[in-house]
Amino acid sequence: KAGVTQTPRYLIKTRGQQVTLSCSPISGHRSVSWYQQTPGQGLQFLFEYFSETQRNKGNFPGRFSGRQFSNSRSEMNVSTLELGDSALYLCASSLRLAGALYEQYFGPGTRLTVT
Amino acid sequence: AQKITQTQPGMFVQEKEAVTLDCTYDTSDPSYGLFWYKQPSSGEMIFLIYQGSYDQQNATEGRYSLNFQKARKSANLVISASQLGDSAMYFCAMREANFGNEKLTFGTGTRLTIIP
Repeated sequence: KAGVTQTPRYLIKTRGQQVTLSCSPISGHRSVSWYQQTPGQGLQFLFEYFSETQRNKGNFPGRFSGRQFSNSRSEMNVSTLELGDSALYLCASSLRLAGALYEQYFGPGTRLTVT
Repeated sequence: AQKITQTQPGMFVQEKEAVTLDCTYDTSDPSYGLFWYKQPSSGEMIFLIYQGSYDQQNATEGRYSLNFQKARKSANLVISASQLGDSAMYFCAMREANFGNEKLTFGTGTRLTIIP
């Protein structure tokens, strides 16, 4: 079974620009979560999508948004990029069945550099 | 609020020795899951092992085992017979079951270096 895929793997953007990152979950997984990893703040939860709806959101400004498509693929968008948005963005997928806790499987990440 | 604490920023271990990575947690939710992930320098987070709060037995997965002490709120990862390929960052994470929340809260991680 194929794992979680993320594109692109590396990205360099300029301050003020916007960026879209893509994530394809493991086949059959309907939940996609996004995380930001930086040396200073560590791993922080951005948001989770399930059945095309945002279910949970972390403490990030509105510049960070996302969506999920009917095939469970998800995109994350960051508008008006700031230097502090430079990070590794990780996507994770899970089964997400009610009443059970399932592990999340992560993709290889997208490393975003803002200059 | 849920919290994960990993007090060992870095560890050096001789190859073939066993190693214990510490993790303590704090939550008021009676139902939760504890997870360990490995992150090599490539960046990908690799799932290692899972322990549910109601599981009676400690979880094991090959060379990995989780020493779960619920009363002490600790969930230490034990790697037996360490290998050079075990050198990586290791993260402990927790997820509360209430409200169908998929959010994982991570600790700050432990950088493990295996010495030949």
